[in-house]
Amino acid sequence: NAGVTQTPKFRILKIGQSMTLQCAQDMNHNYMYWYRQDPGMGLKLIYYSVGAGITDKGEVPNGYNVSRSTTEDFPLRLELAAPSQTSVYFCASSYGRIQETQYFGPGTRLLVL
Amino acid sequence: GEDVEQSLFLSVREGDSSVINCTYTDSSSTYLYWYKQEPGAGLQLLTYIFSNMDMKQDQRLTVLLNKKDKHLSLRIADTQTGDSAIYFCAESGSFQKLVFGTGTRLLVSP
Repeated sequence: NAGVTQTPKFRILKIGQSMTLQCAQDMNHNYMYWYRQDPGMGLKLIYYSVGAGITDKGEVPNGYNVSRSTTEDFPLRLELAAPSQTSVYFCASSYGRIQETQYFGPGTRLLVL
Repeated sequence: GEDVEQSLFLSVREGDSSVINCTYTDSSSTYLYWYKQEPGAGLQLLTYIFSNMDMKQDQRLTVLLNKKDKHLSLRIADTQTGDSAIYFCAESGSFQKLVFGTGTRLLVSP
């Protein structure tokens, strides 16, 4: 199993540009999550999904959109990039039970200039 | 609201024990977790403890939970240079949503 994969690893965007961060998992997990990690800070939940076709907002959803058309994929869309969105983005997945561990991808480092 | 706090930095010598502390606010948290993040990598679950337990031991790792004081600690015995990383405490907030602390950077010197 590849686990949780994310692409790209690194990207530089200009203010106002848009992009999609890709996330895929091959563990047949129901739950998927997007977090952002700002320097020296913990992770903040952006959006999460409990299954295909179902998404919900996390703690910091403004400026982002998600979709979950399949169990495997959970892309994160930035429509109008802003400098405040410079961060490292982590995707994670879990089977769904409360004690199940969340498996994290390697992260996407995004710089908005 | 939910909040998790950790000290920012800990430095120890190789072979010593490390103790990383965490306080949390949500008394309804069912599980509390410790994650490890190595440079340039995602988070890796180290261990977790159910809220009705006081202690959990897993090889070199010992987790202590004081539910009354909402205090969680991670003890690493015989700390090695490979243990140098950022350690995150997290509590299980509303269903399956984790609330993370800011992380404690552990530096192990030879």
